[in-house]
Amino acid sequence: DTGVSQNPRHKITKRGQNVTFRCDPISEHNRLYWYRQTLGQGPEFLTYFQNEAQLEKSRLLSDRFSAERPKGSFSTLEIQRTEQGDSAMYLCASSFDANNYGYTFGSGTRLTVV
Amino acid sequence: GENVEQHPSTLSVQEGDSAVIKCTYSDSASNYFPWYKQELGKRPQLIIDIRSNVGEKKDQRIAVTLNKTAKHFSLHITETQPEDSAVYFCAGTISNFGNEKLTFGTGTRLTIIP
Repeated sequence: DTGVSQNPRHKITKRGQNVTFRCDPISEHNRLYWYRQTLGQGPEFLTYFQNEAQLEKSRLLSDRFSAERPKGSFSTLEIQRTEQGDSAMYLCASSFDANNYGYTFGSGTRLTVV
Repeated sequence: GENVEQHPSTLSVQEGDSAVIKCTYSDSASNYFPWYKQELGKRPQLIIDIRSNVGEKKDQRIAVTLNKTAKHFSLHITETQPEDSAVYFCAGTISNFGNEKLTFGTGTRLTIIP
């Protein structure tokens, strides 16, 4: 297990298209988080899962965004009808229950909407 | 919700000198405060964290102090080295075996001058 893996690393898409990102967490981690980071800012929380249950969604996550973690392992984040304002780094992180407060982040997917 | 403010946004120090980065938080219920280091183009990595039941924690050249009354916490790096150059993010959360969502500060770009 080499850590949290995110694919693709980069994605360029035209405005209005749909995109999907994938995150593979560390295998024994039951919590999985999605964050968005824009240039010069800290990561902003989007949503998180405990196993397959999506426990919280940020108000930042509009109806165009949906995240799933169907079997409690990998997760996908889909953005429908992309807008230029969606351009950002999308970071996934994972952790193991309440006793491990340290997240392990993935390298992120950089989305550019043109 | 929680709001975390971080200062300064940029910091330059001579190699060998100390660097201090400060953060304030708004929610007095917050009880877990990690610090992340992000090098250019890389993932954020946890470097140290502190829980609200202690006032200070040290790990080699890095220390974090917490003042619950004033609701602020600081990162101290001593004997700085060129490899300490990076963006540093503080974060806070209410950690109660449930929601581990982190609220991040806006980051401090630290430059170590050789």
